[in-house]
This record gives sequence, structure tokens and C-alpha cells, in this order.
Amino acid sequence: AQSVTQLGSHVSVSEGALVLLRCNYSSSVPPYLFWYVQYPNQGLQLLLKYTSAATLVKGINGFEAEFKKSETSFHLTKPSAHMSDAAEYFCAVRGGADGLTFGKGTHLIIQP
Amino acid sequence: DSGVTQTPKHLITATGQRVTLRCSPRSGDLSVYWYQQSLDQGLQFLIQYYNGEERAKGNILERFSAQQFPDLHSELNLSSLELGDSALYFCASSVGGVQQETQYFGPGTRLLVL
Repeated sequence: AQSVTQLGSHVSVSEGALVLLRCNYSSSVPPYLFWYVQYPNQGLQLLLKYTSAATLVKGINGFEAEFKKSETSFHLTKPSAHMSDAAEYFCAVRGGADGLTFGKGTHLIIQP
Repeated sequence: DSGVTQTPKHLITATGQRVTLRCSPRSGDLSVYWYQQSLDQGLQFLIQYYNGEERAKGNILERFSAQQFPDLHSELNLSSLELGDSALYFCASSVGGVQQETQYFGPGTRLLVL
């Protein structure tokens, strides 16, 4: 069984500031981890994924995430926030035959 | 555009009714997944099909059923609808259905049960 915890249902940052969205996972088997973004009235788009090839994963739109097994974390970062980054972000884990298990999401707000 | 299409985009119906949601996966993808997104439960995995066969089941109610057809499109049937079934239903597809594959999501069907 697996689970995902996203700390902070809402995160607000200023434009140009560092974005840090936290994700901790629990999995009984080696996990595959994903970050998806959802813009209003749209489906989910993959930002990046961890598949054990490298612990630091680079994704689209300048986002990256680091897999830390000792901390069971997969936090998402971006050095400089842009207004277009405002959206809902979901961390997800897949550790078995089931589909993705999602966290509850973090709503990212960008202050001008 | 992910390449996954879902119809209809919106659906309004009454309690007790039955509806069918349709999904066409990306060209070449054999695996289809259904997810439900609601304010109460968040995003939940419902069911997965691979090349016409059911592969995995998640939190799918007995009133719900799905199938994948020979042309690989999939339908999710929701019956005896209740107010709590109001949600956004997403379909996703991937090439083979293995764990590390990217799942590509469609735009969703928004269901409102009155």
C-alpha cells in the first residue's frame, strides 16, 4: 500500500521567489513518484517523474525534484516563480499494480 | 493537448439515473485508467484496463463499471447515481500500463447529479 502527504494545501510566493512544494510518500515497495500540474478547468499534465535512474529529476517549465529515500520525500522546487505557475500541484506515487495514489494537492499562488 | 479525448465535457443528470462516460486513449496506448476527482475525496484511482482486460481495481463502487473495447476506447458506466457522485472524472492512458510509465490525462468529464 502507498500514500502521499502534501504539506500545505495553499502556498503563496512572490513572483521571482523560490517555489518549494513538499511531498512525503509511504510505500511498501520501491516507489515511482510523479508531480502533475492542473490548471483551472483542465486535465493533469506531467511535470516530472522519478523512476530510480537519478535522484535529482528535471522537469518542464524549470521545475525539478529530488528523491530522498532516507526522508521519504520528493519535494518540488523552482528557483524563480512566474505568474503562469499559479495552479494546483499534485504529487503521486505508484508502487504496485494499482493506479496512481495522489496527494490532496497544493494550490500555488503567485503574488505580483 | 495530451492526445486523450473524453466525452461529454459536461453532464447534468438526476439521482437514480445512469450515465456513460467515454474515453479515447492516445494513439498506440494500450492501457486506460479512470480517476475520480471530488472535493471530499480528492483524486482517486477507480480502475485500469489493458488491451481489453481489467488489470487493477481501486476505489470503484459496485454501482460503477467500465470496459475497454477492441478499438481500445473505454467507457465508464455510473448507475443509480447519488448526489455524492458529482465529480470530475478523468481518463488517462499509457503505453503498456507498467508502473513507471507516464499516464497522460484527458480533459475530464464534469458530472453533476441533481
